[in-house]
Amino acid sequence: QSALTQPASVSGSPGQSITISCTGASSDIGAYKYVSWYQQHPGIAPKLIIYEVTNRPSGVSNRFSGSKSGNTASLTISGLQAEDEADYYCSSYIGGNTLGFGGGTKLTVL
Amino acid sequence: EVQLAESGGGFVQPGRSLRLSCAASGFIFDDYAMHWVRQAPGKGLEWVSSISWNSGNIGYADSVKGRFTISRDNAKNSLYLQMNSLRGEDTAVYYCAKDSGPAMAEFDFWGQGTLVTVSS
Repeated sequence: QSALTQPASVSGSPGQSITISCTGASSDIGAYKYVSWYQQHPGIAPKLIIYEVTNRPSGVSNRFSGSKSGNTASLTISGLQAEDEADYYCSSYIGGNTLGFGGGTKLTVL
Repeated sequence: EVQLAESGGGFVQPGRSLRLSCAASGFIFDDYAMHWVRQAPGKGLEWVSSISWNSGNIGYADSVKGRFTISRDNAKNSLYLQMNSLRGEDTAVYYCAKDSGPAMAEFDFWGQGTLVTVSS
C-alpha cells in the first residue's frame, strides 16, 4: 500500500554526516506535512525523532534534522556517534485515513 | 508519563481469531488518535490500522482490510484490534502507538509490542 522508498543501508564514520532519503509521490509526501522519522534499535520499540517534516520532539538531539523537497523527504544525522547505529524509518500520511512507512534504512557507524 | 501496554498476543492457528488490547495511561486518551503498527520477524514496520479520537475516522492497510477491526473505549482508556481469519503472514510483533493529535499524523509514543504467531 505504501510506496515510500528508502535506501536499504547507509554508513558513515564517527563525526561525519549522513542523509537518508524517503521518496514518495505527489499524493503522499508531496501532498502532506505529516512526514515523520523513527529510530529503532534491535529488540526495542521505534522512537519518534522527527515529526511534521522538520520538527524534533523534546529530548531528541539537534544532530537529527529533517527536510522535504517535492516528493522526497530526508533525514540528516550530523556528528555521527556509535549510538546512532540503528534502523531508520520514514512515514507519511497518504490520504484516505491511511499512513505508510518506508522499507527502512540500516545505518552502520564505521 | 505516557505508557502503552499491549496484551493479547500469542500462538494461534491459521483461520482463527485473536483480540489485542492496549491499555493507555499518562495522557488524556480521548484527545488523541491511536494506531496499530506491526513488524514481522526481521522485517520493517508496517502500518496496520488507525482510529481518530472519536472513532469517526478509521483506516486499514489493504493487507488486513475486511479481516481486522480497530476500536477504542475512551471510558476505559483502551485500544483494541480484533483480528479474524488470521494468516501466517500476520505473524509479527504488534505495536500500539499514540498519535500527536486527534487526527492521523504520526506515532509519537509506542508500546513495547505483543507477539502474534500464526502457525499450524
